[in-house]
Amino acid sequence: GNSVTQMEGPVTLSEEAFLTINCTYTATGYPSLFWYVQYPGEGLQLLLKATKADDKGSNKGFEATYRKETTSFHLEKGSVQVSDSAVYFCALSAATGNQFYFGTGTSLTVIP
Amino acid sequence: KAGVTQTPRYLIKTRGQQVTLSCSPISGHRSVSWYQQTPGQGLQFLFEYFSETQRNKGNFPGRFSGRQFSNSRSEMNVSTLELGDSALYLCASSLVPGQETQYFGPGTRLLVL
Repeated sequence: GNSVTQMEGPVTLSEEAFLTINCTYTATGYPSLFWYVQYPGEGLQLLLKATKADDKGSNKGFEATYRKETTSFHLEKGSVQVSDSAVYFCALSAATGNQFYFGTGTSLTVIP
Repeated sequence: KAGVTQTPRYLIKTRGQQVTLSCSPISGHRSVSWYQQTPGQGLQFLFEYFSETQRNKGNFPGRFSGRQFSNSRSEMNVSTLELGDSALYLCASSLVPGQETQYFGPGTRLLVL
């Protein structure tokens, strides 16, 4: 079956620290992979995506590389800001159908 | 282009009542999916509609139902509300089904008393 396992939170970092949020997946076929971000009181916003192996998605300083050999899609940012405080969700879209599978979310708090 | 809109944004109901939530997708998007988000269970897939047909359904009881209209707008209905139905209900739209990016609305927060 399809599933996403995401690093448990919460994560607290100081401003300008390096961020890694781990995400691994199980899927049949070749899924597309996504990172979404949810700010307090809001819906989910697409942060970045990758649709095939070795693709790197990037946006707003965040990056993630689709690693088929390790079935991973870890989110990284070199220098976090207070405004990055949010909940981050890793997700996959299966090769068939349109159902998204989400990880449990990782809460990030960045302190000045 | 306007994003996904959901109405109402907040709702308070009592046990046993029913509720209808509405979702208008991004213009041109024909696929709509619904999710329930709770602190304990995270994001859980409810169902997905395309061209007025339900294509996928998650593991929820029959009290949860939905439909899609010819203009791609979608509604979901929950009958005989239970306390455990209190959640944020998120709607997402995409151009077509498949591995397209889903764009989420702000959600409807339902509180069942």
